Amino acid sequence: ILNVEQSPQSLHVQEGDSTNFTCSFPSSNFYALHWYRWETAKSPEALFVMTLNGDEKKKGRISATLNTKEGYSYLYIKGSQPEDSATYLCAAYNFNKFYFGSGTKLNVKP
Amino acid sequence: DAGVIQSPRHEVTEMGQEVTLRCKPISGHDYLFWYRQTMMRGLELLIYFNNNVPIDDSGMPEDRFSAKMPNASFSTLKIQPSEPRDSAVYFCASSSGGENTEAFFGQGTRLTVV
Repeated sequence: ILNVEQSPQSLHVQEGDSTNFTCSFPSSNFYALHWYRWETAKSPEALFVMTLNGDEKKKGRISATLNTKEGYSYLYIKGSQPEDSATYLCAAYNFNKFYFGSGTKLNVKP
Repeated sequence: DAGVIQSPRHEVTEMGQEVTLRCKPISGHDYLFWYRQTMMRGLELLIYFNNNVPIDDSGMPEDRFSAKMPNASFSTLKIQPSEPRDSAVYFCASSSGGENTEAFFGQGTRLTVV
């Protein structure tokens, strides 16, 4: 079992604020790191899949970085909007399995 | 493709009854996963299949839980007998495998055992 940890557990920000959260994972035997967005009453959907140390990926106002040597990834949201409210999950992918963290629940207040 | 399809979406059953959850993965995906979501443990992997064969069932909590995948387009997760502590949302996901694979999730089945 790979231990994937996310922080903070929850976050409340105002519309327009920029924010970031952390995912930490075992750096040994690293294969891939995933970020998922999970809206209430829906199912998780993939945001990013990252495999290389130093990877940076961007989708609109959301971006992510990866450090495989020290075992962490950051997810950034620039200028948060109420529609960004969701739980953001990261998952370490190895041995054909996805090991999920417990998520960061983001609430963006208008 | 319609994505991963789970049924039923909601299930309420009495303690001691048998419960069967169903999943249809995305066509062509070789991997199928069953997860359970709880407040305490988040998304917990129960079992996964590769090419219809169960590979790792170490996450299955007890013998009351069993899963099958009789063919590439169908899987079931059965709980017999069910208990109140089994109440949770159960997700099925499928993936194609490989370095840049991602997990595609179904809508989940919310199980309530009373």
